[in-house]
Amino acid sequence: AQKITQTQPGMFVQEKEAVTLDCTYDTSDPSYGLFWYKQPSSGEMIFLIYQGSYDQQNATEGRYSLNFQKARKSANLVISASQLGDSAMYFCAMREGLPGNTPLVFGKGTRLSVIA
Amino acid sequence: GAVVSQHPSWVICKSGTSVKIECRSLDFQATTMFWYRQFPKQSLMLMATSNEGSKATYEQGVEKDKFLINHASLTLSTLTVTSAHPEDSSFYICSARVNPSRQATPYGYTFGSGTRLTVV
Repeated sequence: AQKITQTQPGMFVQEKEAVTLDCTYDTSDPSYGLFWYKQPSSGEMIFLIYQGSYDQQNATEGRYSLNFQKARKSANLVISASQLGDSAMYFCAMREGLPGNTPLVFGKGTRLSVIA
Repeated sequence: GAVVSQHPSWVICKSGTSVKIECRSLDFQATTMFWYRQFPKQSLMLMATSNEGSKATYEQGVEKDKFLINHASLTLSTLTVTSAHPEDSSFYICSARVNPSRQATPYGYTFGSGTRLTVV
């Protein structure tokens, strides 16, 4: 079974509008962390936002917010006021267990295109 | 913040030759390095985990004799693609595990900038 599922291969959004990128995860470990990364065409992985499994509040970082619904095992990324520079691939990732020497597992990604 | 320098950023090599990719931690000690491969328009797939001073742990389906990983020091991990073939053409990226208490490090992981390998 896939650990991270991103069901939207591609999304379009009008500039200045908000967009939600979906992510569901699967783990039986009570301790885990969820990450969102942006990957432009250059290939670098740009960290956007993090949500820990024990965090009570949804994470926010500037225009990025994470809609964390633990019971539904979803961690959707919300980008407000989209900009042309937001066009990129977006990956949801998970760390299982407590912080330690465990790798991140990535979803298949969503390609976001912002339209002027 | 914790920075990983990855070189080269891109390389073209002939089929049958070997290519070495380096990931160097610039201002911290990377005890653990993760190596990922990303085919075009696909996700990052973990290839192996390397810990300083010990043998790398490879994911199922990854040929350890083809993808040699060396993590001989706390600041350098290398991936060597041996006898490269066109099907090895891909984007390779490393990720270092960083002490989460370190400021300006995104919750314990920092990535290199990636290496685009093309085998002709």
